[in-house]
Amino acid sequence: KQEVTQIPAALSVPEGENLVLNCSFTDSAIYNLQWFRQDPGKGLTSLLLIQSSQREQTSGRLNASLDKSSGRSTLYIAASQPGDSATYLCAAGGNTPLVFGKGTRLSVIA
Amino acid sequence: DAGVIQSPRHEVTEMGQEVTLRCKPISGHDYLFWYRQTMMRGLELLIYFNNNVPIDDSGMPEDRFSAKMPNASFSTLKIQPSEPRDSAVYFCASSAPSGGKREKLFFGSGTQLSVL
Repeated sequence: KQEVTQIPAALSVPEGENLVLNCSFTDSAIYNLQWFRQDPGKGLTSLLLIQSSQREQTSGRLNASLDKSSGRSTLYIAASQPGDSATYLCAAGGNTPLVFGKGTRLSVIA
Repeated sequence: DAGVIQSPRHEVTEMGQEVTLRCKPISGHDYLFWYRQTMMRGLELLIYFNNNVPIDDSGMPEDRFSAKMPNASFSTLKIQPSEPRDSAVYFCASSAPSGGKREKLFFGSGTQLSVL
C-alpha cells in the first residue's frame, strides 16, 4: 500500500529565500507525482505533474523533481513571496487514485 | 469553465441526522472522486467513479456512508445517520478522459461538515 510522507509539517522562511519541500513515497511503481497548493478554507490547486518517465517539471518560480528509485520528490520555490504562504501537498499516482501526503504548511514572512 | 462545484460550503447538523453532500464535476470529465480531509488523517479517498459507475468504495468508512452518480454531471455523498467523528472537510474532484485517474485532478472548494 502506497504511503506518502512530507517533512517538515510546517516551515517559516523570510521573504526572498529559496526553499525546498520534501516528499517521499514507499512504492516506486508510480505513474506520476503531483504537487498541489491548498489555501486556508479552499480546495486544492494542481501546481505541477511529473510523469514517471520525467525527472523534473518547471512552472515559473516552481521546480519539481522526481527520483523514483529513491522514492523522493522535491518542490523548489525560488525567491519566495508572502503570497506563496499556503499548504503544499504531494500525491503519488499509480494503479490506484492519488495517495496524498499530509502537506507542509509554508509561511513566508515579509 | 466553472470548475468542480460542491454544495453546501458549510453544513452543521446534529448527531443522527442525514447529511447529503453534492458535487457537479467539470463537463467532459469521466472520473469523479470523493475525498475526506482531517487534521489527523489528511486526505483520504472515500470512493471514485468512472463513467458514472463506482469503481472502488473500499475507502468508505462504514455502511452509514453511501455515494451515487446518477449522471455525468452530478454526484452525491450521503451520511445516515451522521456522527460527530464524521466532522471533516469533504472534497469532490474530477479528472479528464485523456489520462483517466493518472492525470491532473481538479478539486472543488469542499464542504465543511460539523456534526454536533
